[in-house]
Parts: sequence; C-alpha cells; structure tokens
Amino acid sequence: EIVMTQSPATLSVSPGERATLSCRASQSVNSNLAWYQQKPGQAPRLLIYNSFIRATGIPARFSGSGSGTDFTLTISSLQSEDFAVYYCQQYNNWPRTMYTFGQGTKLEIK
Amino acid sequence: QVQLVESGGGLVKPGESLRLSCAASGFTFSDYYMSWIRQAPGQGLEWVSYIGSSTKYIDYADSVKGRFTISRDNAKNLLYLQMKSLRAEDTAVYYCARFLEYGDVWGKGTTVTVSS
Repeated sequence: EIVMTQSPATLSVSPGERATLSCRASQSVNSNLAWYQQKPGQAPRLLIYNSFIRATGIPARFSGSGSGTDFTLTISSLQSEDFAVYYCQQYNNWPRTMYTFGQGTKLEIK
Repeated sequence: QVQLVESGGGLVKPGESLRLSCAASGFTFSDYYMSWIRQAPGQGLEWVSYIGSSTKYIDYADSVKGRFTISRDNAKNLLYLQMKSLRAEDTAVYYCARFLEYGDVWGKGTTVTVSS
C-alpha cells in the first residue's frame, strides 16, 4: 500500500497570505495525485487532479505541483472561505487500486 | 444539476448488516465509475470500493473485502453498498462519489454507527 503523508498537520496563515501544503508518497505515484478541500460537515470537493490540473470551477489561486513522491498545493492569496482541511489522494496503479489519502492538513486562520 | 444522495445509514449492532443506497441525477450514471469512500469520526478519508460502469470492474479495500459488496442499477441510477458482519471500526460517514481515479462529484454522506 502506498502511504501518503501530509505536512504540516495544521497550518496557521493570515488572510491574503500564501499557503503551501505538502504531500509525500511512500513510493512514486508519477503525477497521479489529487487534492481535495473539506469544510466541517461537508463532503470533500475536488480541487486538483493529475497533480496540477484545476477541477471545474476552482479558482486560479489554487495550484498544484510535483511528481513522483513530492507534491505541493499552493493557495496564493487566502480568502476566508479557504480555511478548511485539505487532503491529497494518490491513484497510481489503477485499476488495481487501493486508492489512498493523506491524513489531511488543517488550514486555520492566524 | 449533478447530484448524488446517499441513504440507508443508521445504528446497528456488531455483526449485523446494512445496505446503503446512492441516487444519482443530472448526469448519465451508466457512463461513470462510482465509488464509496468513508470517513470515521474525526478522521481522514478511506476509499472503500469502486464499480465500473458496466460492473466488469469491481474492487475493494482490504479492510472490507469479503464483507462488503458494491453493486449498481443503471436503469434506476442507483449505487449500492451491502455491508455484512459490521464491526465497530466500520463506524463512519459513507460517501458515494463519481470516482474513477479521483472523485469529482460527491454526495453529502450517510452515517453508519456500529455499536452494541
């Protein structure tokens, strides 16, 4: 099983500043990585797939990068609605799956 | 609009069974792979199972293999998850999602609680 490790567990950032979230895979997942945002009591929302492609309707302030084992989600100028938990998820080796998610990074207001 | 609505959650005792349903609307359900993903209280996300558009492809997480069965009715736009021999560690919010390699549409979830 590929283990996904996100850091930091909690990130405190002021509105208007940049946030950088990291995700590391225990082995290469190529560019087969997605990012999700989840707010309390809500379902996850897809932000990024294939490491860097923004999903439909996602603002340009969200960007993804990386390949292999190291990935980054950057939010360029934090808005109040961006404070949430963010998860990465790998989907390498489809169709033999065991898709795995990271444990999440909580982005909180500083 | 594109929508997924889960139902069937509830409180059950260890060893009991439960069937979850997910009603899809706003898209051609039969064209898409679908998955179930769960989230234990205060925890992260865990992929549970997926099913191909024509049921040829089905897979399960090791944690549920042999106990859970995923199925679909394309004529009714419904996805199911039959859960047997439930354990306390199956307690979670269960989401259905339009999900091949990643999930681009998610339902709001249904809560399953396994407790004596």
